[in-house]
Amino acid sequence: EVQLVETGGGWIQPGGSLRLSCAASGLTVSRNYMTWVRQAPGKGLEWVSIIYSGGTTYYADSVKGRFTISRDSSNNTLYLQMNSLRAEDSAIYYCAKMVSNDYIDAWGQGILVTVSS
Amino acid sequence: DIQMTQSPSTLSASVGDRVTITCRASQSIGTRVAWYQQKPGKAPNLLIYRTSNLQSGVPSRFSGSGSGTEFTLTISSLQPDDFATYYCQQYSSNSWTFGRGTKVEIK
Repeated sequence: EVQLVETGGGWIQPGGSLRLSCAASGLTVSRNYMTWVRQAPGKGLEWVSIIYSGGTTYYADSVKGRFTISRDSSNNTLYLQMNSLRAEDSAIYYCAKMVSNDYIDAWGQGILVTVSS
Repeated sequence: DIQMTQSPSTLSASVGDRVTITCRASQSIGTRVAWYQQKPGKAPNLLIYRTSNLQSGVPSRFSGSGSGTEFTLTISSLQPDDFATYYCQQYSSNSWTFGRGTKVEIK
């Protein structure tokens, strides 16, 4: 059974940085397409970033240049480094496994990030 | 980027009703459309992938159809467990976008 557990969220001031981690079990992060999706409070879902099994990465325009997705094979963990955070980045961030580069078939429970002064 | 216009935003229905939710893409996207169900405080759950394929474990009352720019999710007979918010999602050209969601409420 696939399990994805996000950590690292919390409250941060605008302009600050935060790194989210997603510990995976039941799958090998480096052999899968792994993605981050976020959901602002009371709002819909927004795709944030993806890393392909081959290492190629893509970002939503709203986070390009500020966020970096990466992975660590030694501890089977996915990361999202978030810099220059803005109030509009406040959301629940979900780590997820994507089938090929198509649809998501496994989600973490989500972690809340609040950007506020 | 391709936009997904989902309608309606809210739907009031009764148990046993047939329910249809529509997503229209801003340009043709083939069949790379998925549908998810989300309940309050929970992560989304995959229902349908590649327009019409039922995810394992999902009840057969859920179905998907469409192509090109118009896609639909149908619940043939609404059950109490189906009151939730539903999202479509598309993939095209290294970009993934979701519809804004349809909340299915009890009438």
